[in-house]
Amino acid sequence: GAGVSQSPSNKVTEKGKDVELRCDPISGHTALYWYRQSLGQGLEFLIYFQGNSAPDKSGLPSDRFSAERTGGSVSTLTIQRTQQEDSAVYLCASSSTLAKNIQYFGAGTRLSVL
Amino acid sequence: AQSVTQPDIHITVSEGASLELRCNYSYGATPYLFWYVQSPGQGLQLLLKYFSGDTLVQGIKGFEAEFKRSQSSFNLRKPSVHWSDAAEYFCAVGLSGGGADGLTFGKGTHLIIQP
Repeated sequence: GAGVSQSPSNKVTEKGKDVELRCDPISGHTALYWYRQSLGQGLEFLIYFQGNSAPDKSGLPSDRFSAERTGGSVSTLTIQRTQQEDSAVYLCASSSTLAKNIQYFGAGTRLSVL
Repeated sequence: AQSVTQPDIHITVSEGASLELRCNYSYGATPYLFWYVQSPGQGLQLLLKYFSGDTLVQGIKGFEAEFKRSQSSFNLRKPSVHWSDAAEYFCAVGLSGGGADGLTFGKGTHLIIQP
């Protein structure tokens, strides 16, 4: 696509429910990144994929968070048993092999946990 | 670990006036440096970047930034702001602009434009 696409744009869920956030990177971009933007913490880097592989998952806030990427394209960030502190905007970015220093961001998914 | 400080949480500027947003970083080597802008409900848009070479870099929308190694700073400037420049501005650093460490962002500066 023309840009990084994230869905849904907004998600309201009840505490304890699981949610899946989707990121569709720019076509041909091999690297994909997830960030979380919250009022208290600012922008935090969560995880990076090169192709389908995530070499370091230590940035994920807890073991309730997981991410996967299939076919070197779409990525899903899953939050299990959501808590109120998970409320934030989740941003996805992608970059190409030729210009891996430049990350292009999607509009984000605003998650509200009630 | 690297860190980024944007000392001004809010800045108010009159339309047509000049603008400077401050950014200081802490890093063991010369990092890759970026400025992004975020409008309400939007993602982050890259304004400009510094990797090496000329320390004064030009970006989109009439913005420029100057890398000063001695001050560990990468301040963003614009000679004359427009009402459409009102947004949140983020300074970021990266080991290689990406990769396993991702980007480290400052807390952001909220720019308000007065008519």
